[in-house]
Amino acid sequence: GQQLNQSPQSMFIQEGEDVSMNCTSSSIFNTWLWYKQDPGEGPVLLIALYKAGELTSNGRLTAQFGITRKDSFLNISASIPSDVGIYFCAGLRGSQGNLIFGKGTKLSVKP
Amino acid sequence: GAVVSQHPSRVICKSGTSVKIECRSLDFQATTMFWYRQFPKQSLMLMATSNEGSKATYEQGVEKDKFLINHASLTLSTLTVTSAHPEDSSFYICSARDEAVGETQYFGPGTRLLVL
Repeated sequence: GQQLNQSPQSMFIQEGEDVSMNCTSSSIFNTWLWYKQDPGEGPVLLIALYKAGELTSNGRLTAQFGITRKDSFLNISASIPSDVGIYFCAGLRGSQGNLIFGKGTKLSVKP
Repeated sequence: GAVVSQHPSRVICKSGTSVKIECRSLDFQATTMFWYRQFPKQSLMLMATSNEGSKATYEQGVEKDKFLINHASLTLSTLTVTSAHPEDSSFYICSARDEAVGETQYFGPGTRLLVL
């Protein structure tokens, strides 16, 4: 079945550093979404990408939809302690809108 | 963004009992809602797609008679875990699609189920 390969699995960075994570797939997706999940809570949507090649920003976050529609990256600039959490990429599958999730990137930020 | 609520936020039950979890879209209508299960330190796994006014579509390996889904209105879907067992203990999360803004899905805060 369709799978998303998300990397890195975890990151330990210093406050103020920039972060980059990415997702790749063997299949094409028409929509990529990036979510952040805090412990014990549901995922919160960060950025939605709808067009191949699209580059979208949301504050310190920037995400791009790969031109082949098989990959996407998320960058966080000037990280702060509240950026800590698990970041998931998700690709939209099928006409009913089923999401396929990556395995997540756990981000830890040292003050 | 759009708001999705879940109730209860956490529940503890005895083995063999049934548990109902509600998912509501608070400020938009959703003809389609989704139910996920997440085990500790793992990603979200889609269980089923809930369609308003029709039967749910279950993912392979998910027992429809054990996980009953009802989507009776455009703002409410329910998941009932029937005859729960300890292995059903998990974090259950719903999402709803706001079709007015395309394919974006908004997630509820999740329900922590512990079956003793």
